Amino acid sequence: TQLLEQSPQFLSIQEGENLTVYCNSSSVFSSLQWYRQEPGEGPVLLVTVVTGGEVKKLKRLTFQFGDARKDSSLHITAAQPGDTGLYLCAGSRGNQFYFGTGTSLTVIP
Amino acid sequence: KAGVTQTPRYLIKTRGQQVTLSCSPISGHRSVSWYQQTPGQGLQFLFEYFSETQRNKGNFPGRFSGRQFSNSRSEMNVSTLELGDSALYLCASSQDRSNYGYTFGSGTRLTVV
Repeated sequence: TQLLEQSPQFLSIQEGENLTVYCNSSSVFSSLQWYRQEPGEGPVLLVTVVTGGEVKKLKRLTFQFGDARKDSSLHITAAQPGDTGLYLCAGSRGNQFYFGTGTSLTVIP
Repeated sequence: KAGVTQTPRYLIKTRGQQVTLSCSPISGHRSVSWYQQTPGQGLQFLFEYFSETQRNKGNFPGRFSGRQFSNSRSEMNVSTLELGDSALYLCASSQDRSNYGYTFGSGTRLTVV
Protein backbone atom coordinates (compact mmCIF):
# COMPACT_ATOMS: atom_id res chain seq x y z
CA THR A 1 0.00 0.00 0.00
CA GLN A 2 1.35 3.40 -1.04
CA LEU A 3 1.39 6.16 1.54
CA LEU A 4 0.46 8.72 -1.12
CA GLU A 5 -2.30 7.88 -3.59
CA GLN A 6 -2.75 9.94 -6.71
CA SER A 7 -5.85 10.22 -8.86
CA PRO A 8 -6.56 9.84 -11.60
CA GLN A 9 -3.88 7.37 -12.65
CA PHE A 10 -4.27 8.27 -16.33
CA LEU A 11 -5.70 11.40 -17.92
CA SER A 12 -6.08 12.23 -21.60
CA ILE A 13 -7.49 15.64 -22.48
CA GLN A 14 -7.71 18.05 -25.39
CA GLU A 15 -5.49 21.10 -25.60
CA GLY A 16 -7.10 24.06 -23.86
CA GLU A 17 -8.99 22.06 -21.24
CA ASN A 18 -8.49 22.39 -17.49
CA LEU A 19 -7.63 19.51 -15.18
CA THR A 20 -6.95 18.70 -11.55
CA VAL A 21 -4.73 15.96 -10.16
CA TYR A 22 -5.11 14.84 -6.56
CA CYS A 23 -2.59 13.49 -4.07
CA ASN A 24 -4.11 11.99 -0.92
CA SER A 25 -2.89 10.35 2.26
CA SER A 26 -4.08 9.55 5.75
CA SER A 27 -0.70 10.71 7.08
CA VAL A 28 0.57 14.21 7.82
CA PHE A 29 3.57 15.49 5.89
CA SER A 30 5.96 18.28 6.84
CA SER A 31 6.28 19.28 3.19
CA LEU A 32 5.02 18.14 -0.15
CA GLN A 33 6.51 18.44 -3.61
CA TRP A 34 5.23 18.02 -7.14
CA TYR A 35 7.41 16.74 -9.95
CA ARG A 36 6.94 16.25 -13.69
CA GLN A 37 8.74 13.46 -15.48
CA GLU A 38 9.13 13.01 -19.22
CA PRO A 39 9.87 9.61 -20.78
CA GLY A 40 13.47 8.50 -20.32
CA GLU A 41 14.31 11.36 -17.97
CA GLY A 42 14.34 11.94 -14.24
CA PRO A 43 11.57 13.82 -12.43
CA VAL A 44 11.90 17.61 -12.36
CA LEU A 45 10.81 19.51 -9.26
CA LEU A 46 7.94 21.91 -9.94
CA VAL A 47 7.08 23.20 -6.48
CA THR A 48 7.40 22.62 -2.74
CA VAL A 49 4.62 23.50 -0.30
CA VAL A 50 5.18 23.47 3.44
CA THR A 51 2.28 25.28 5.14
CA GLY A 52 -1.22 23.82 5.51
CA GLY A 53 -3.60 25.67 3.19
CA GLU A 54 -0.72 27.07 1.13
CA VAL A 55 -1.42 27.87 -2.52
CA LYS A 56 1.35 28.40 -5.06
CA LYS A 57 1.03 29.37 -8.70
CA LEU A 58 3.50 28.63 -11.44
CA LYS A 59 2.17 30.18 -14.66
CA ARG A 60 -0.83 27.98 -15.58
CA LEU A 61 -0.23 25.53 -12.72
CA THR A 62 -1.79 26.01 -9.27
CA PHE A 63 -0.70 23.87 -6.34
CA GLN A 64 -2.53 23.61 -3.05
CA PHE A 65 -1.52 21.93 0.20
CA GLY A 66 -4.44 20.75 2.33
CA ASP A 67 -5.15 22.48 5.63
CA ALA A 68 -4.28 19.32 7.54
CA ARG A 69 -1.16 18.72 5.42
CA LYS A 70 -2.42 15.28 4.37
CA ASP A 71 -3.31 16.03 0.77
CA SER A 72 -2.51 18.25 -2.18
CA SER A 73 -3.85 19.12 -5.59
CA LEU A 74 -2.39 20.33 -8.86
CA HIS A 75 -4.65 22.30 -11.21
CA ILE A 76 -3.61 23.07 -14.78
CA THR A 77 -5.45 25.76 -16.69
CA ALA A 78 -5.66 25.64 -20.50
CA ALA A 79 -3.47 22.55 -20.84
CA GLN A 80 -0.92 22.47 -23.63
CA PRO A 81 0.82 19.51 -25.33
CA GLY A 82 4.02 20.50 -23.51
CA ASP A 83 2.27 19.65 -20.21
CA THR A 84 2.27 15.97 -21.21
CA GLY A 85 4.16 13.80 -18.74
CA LEU A 86 4.03 11.85 -15.51
CA TYR A 87 3.12 14.00 -12.52
CA LEU A 88 4.38 12.79 -9.16
CA CYS A 89 3.65 14.11 -5.70
CA ALA A 90 6.13 13.39 -2.92
CA GLY A 91 6.00 14.02 0.78
CA SER A 92 8.49 14.35 3.58
CA ARG A 93 7.58 12.66 6.87
CA GLY A 94 10.11 12.31 9.64
CA ASN A 95 13.33 11.19 8.05
CA GLN A 96 11.55 9.46 5.18
CA PHE A 97 10.53 10.70 1.76
CA TYR A 98 7.59 9.10 -0.06
CA PHE A 99 6.52 9.30 -3.70
CA GLY A 100 2.96 9.04 -4.91
CA THR A 101 1.64 6.53 -7.41
CA GLY A 102 1.81 9.03 -10.29
CA THR A 103 -0.62 10.53 -12.81
CA SER A 104 0.15 10.11 -16.49
CA LEU A 105 -1.18 13.13 -18.41
CA THR A 106 -1.54 13.29 -22.18
CA VAL A 107 -2.61 16.55 -23.79
CA ILE A 108 -3.85 16.04 -27.34
CA PRO A 109 -3.24 18.93 -29.78
CA LYS B 1 25.85 24.86 -12.20
CA ALA B 2 26.02 21.28 -13.42
CA GLY B 3 23.11 19.00 -12.59
CA VAL B 4 23.09 15.47 -11.27
CA THR B 5 25.08 13.20 -13.57
CA GLN B 6 24.39 9.48 -13.82
CA THR B 7 26.47 7.02 -15.79
CA PRO B 8 25.99 5.00 -17.80
CA ARG B 9 22.64 6.03 -19.36
CA TYR B 10 21.88 2.56 -20.69
CA LEU B 11 23.08 -0.87 -19.67
CA ILE B 12 22.27 -4.41 -20.75
CA LYS B 13 23.34 -7.25 -18.47
CA THR B 14 22.76 -10.97 -18.24
CA ARG B 15 21.07 -12.71 -15.33
CA GLY B 16 23.55 -13.55 -12.59
CA GLN B 17 25.94 -10.73 -13.43
CA GLN B 18 26.56 -7.72 -11.25
CA VAL B 19 26.39 -4.04 -12.13
CA THR B 20 27.67 -0.75 -10.70
CA LEU B 21 25.93 2.54 -11.36
CA SER B 22 27.45 5.94 -10.69
CA CYS B 23 25.99 9.26 -9.60
CA SER B 24 27.67 12.65 -9.25
CA PRO B 25 25.45 15.07 -7.28
CA ILE B 26 25.19 18.81 -7.66
CA SER B 27 28.23 20.52 -6.22
CA GLY B 28 27.63 21.26 -2.55
CA HIS B 29 24.89 18.66 -2.16
CA ARG B 30 25.81 16.10 0.47
CA SER B 31 22.72 13.89 0.36
CA VAL B 32 22.33 11.35 -2.41
CA SER B 33 19.34 9.05 -2.71
CA TRP B 34 18.69 6.19 -5.09
CA TYR B 35 15.33 5.08 -6.48
CA GLN B 36 14.16 2.25 -8.68
CA GLN B 37 11.37 3.07 -11.11
CA THR B 38 9.28 0.45 -12.89
CA PRO B 39 5.90 0.78 -14.64
CA GLY B 40 4.23 -1.52 -12.14
CA GLN B 41 5.72 -0.30 -8.87
CA GLY B 42 6.44 3.37 -9.56
CA LEU B 43 9.29 5.00 -7.69
CA GLN B 44 10.67 2.80 -4.94
CA PHE B 45 13.25 4.12 -2.46
CA LEU B 46 16.51 2.17 -2.31
CA PHE B 47 18.77 4.11 0.06
CA GLU B 48 20.06 7.51 1.05
CA TYR B 49 23.63 8.51 1.79
CA PHE B 50 24.83 11.59 3.63
CA SER B 51 28.47 12.39 4.28
CA GLU B 52 29.54 8.86 3.33
CA THR B 53 27.05 7.22 5.73
CA GLN B 54 23.91 5.34 4.80
CA ARG B 55 21.15 7.29 6.52
CA ASN B 56 18.08 5.42 5.30
CA LYS B 57 17.39 2.18 3.52
CA GLY B 58 14.36 0.96 1.64
CA ASN B 59 12.89 -2.50 1.52
CA PHE B 60 15.18 -4.12 -1.02
CA PRO B 61 17.20 -7.35 -0.73
CA GLY B 62 20.86 -7.32 0.25
CA ARG B 63 21.84 -7.73 -3.40
CA PHE B 64 21.35 -3.98 -3.64
CA SER B 65 24.08 -1.96 -1.99
CA GLY B 66 25.61 1.44 -2.26
CA ARG B 67 28.28 3.76 -1.00
CA GLN B 68 29.23 7.39 -1.01
CA PHE B 69 32.67 8.86 -1.38
CA SER B 70 34.20 11.87 0.35
CA ASN B 71 33.43 14.05 -2.68
CA SER B 72 29.72 13.04 -2.33
CA ARG B 73 29.75 10.95 -5.49
CA SER B 74 27.81 7.75 -5.00
CA GLU B 75 27.68 4.32 -6.51
CA MET B 76 25.12 1.59 -6.24
CA ASN B 77 25.77 -2.05 -6.92
CA VAL B 78 23.40 -4.85 -7.75
CA SER B 79 24.76 -8.38 -7.55
CA THR B 80 23.34 -11.59 -8.98
CA LEU B 81 21.03 -9.73 -11.33
CA GLU B 82 17.49 -10.99 -11.88
CA LEU B 83 15.11 -10.24 -14.74
CA GLY B 84 12.96 -8.25 -12.31
CA ASP B 85 15.82 -5.83 -11.68
CA SER B 86 15.22 -4.30 -15.11
CA ALA B 87 14.25 -0.72 -14.34
CA LEU B 88 15.18 2.93 -14.52
CA TYR B 89 17.52 3.69 -11.62
CA LEU B 90 17.38 7.29 -10.52
CA CYS B 91 19.78 9.22 -8.35
CA ALA B 92 18.69 12.38 -6.59
CA SER B 93 20.68 14.91 -4.63
CA SER B 94 19.81 17.55 -2.07
CA GLN B 95 21.74 19.79 0.28
CA ASP B 96 20.62 17.96 3.37
CA ARG B 97 17.21 16.52 4.17
CA SER B 98 14.86 16.30 1.23
CA ASN B 99 12.21 18.53 2.82
CA TYR B 100 12.53 21.02 0.02
CA GLY B 101 12.82 18.60 -2.85
CA TYR B 102 15.35 16.71 -4.85
CA THR B 103 17.24 17.29 -8.04
CA PHE B 104 17.21 14.11 -10.07
CA GLY B 105 19.59 12.79 -12.66
CA SER B 106 18.39 11.42 -15.99
CA GLY B 107 18.72 7.88 -14.71
CA THR B 108 20.35 4.65 -15.83
CA ARG B 109 18.13 2.30 -17.82
CA LEU B 110 19.14 -1.23 -16.83
CA THR B 111 17.90 -4.17 -18.86
CA VAL B 112 18.56 -7.68 -17.59
CA VAL B 113 18.26 -10.44 -20.19
